[in-house]
Amino acid sequence: DSGVTQTPKHLITATGQRVTLRCSPRSGDLSVYWYQQSLDQGLQFLIQYYNGEERAKGNILERFSAQQFPDLHSELNLSSLELGDSALYFCASSVGPEGAQTQYFGPGTRLLVL
Amino acid sequence: GQQVMQIPQYQHVQEGEDFTTYCNSSTTLSNIQWYKQRPGGHPVFLIQLVKSGEVKKQKRLTFQFGEAKKNSSLHITATQTTDVGTYFCTTSGTYKYIFGTGTRLKVLA
Repeated sequence: DSGVTQTPKHLITATGQRVTLRCSPRSGDLSVYWYQQSLDQGLQFLIQYYNGEERAKGNILERFSAQQFPDLHSELNLSSLELGDSALYFCASSVGPEGAQTQYFGPGTRLLVL
Repeated sequence: GQQVMQIPQYQHVQEGEDFTTYCNSSTTLSNIQWYKQRPGGHPVFLIQLVKSGEVKKQKRLTFQFGEAKKNSSLHITATQTTDVGTYFCTTSGTYKYIFGTGTRLKVLA
């Protein structure tokens, strides 16, 4: 158990809908990262927040947005969903903001868009 | 942009055989990290390498960072069924976290 929690574990929705994925980082970690992993694909970095502020942006679509709240939990919002958005979404956390940090991954949210 | 390629993409070995995966970059890397993801699981941190030519060992696993800091390798000696999973290398470019394509290892008992 990494100490990172993600809810829900599974999500099934229809195209055009909007969903929110939630992540709680490890106690003491200030950075939260979001990744997308499609079937048989590697991990695509989406976005990083550090202590409530956006720190780094990766290949995140404009239909996707995220935020980190004062209690440090984070939410990833996916809107106007398309079939291709079906994937495993991981949240990870680390202590600090810098690149070379050990990231602790949550169990993931599996999203299926029908 | 910075890209990290891993080879091979898949590897099947007999239990007891050795296994190596390679991570290559077109640009110099400031650091390299290795993660393991078991089937159905999430990535778990294994090690970080920072120095040119650095070699680190964890029991049967040996990690190496190239002299030019453009490549890295993970070698497993005498694989066991518990080694099954996908091994990813990753690096943090300027504010971006780039994961390699991964090497999926299957160990046949």
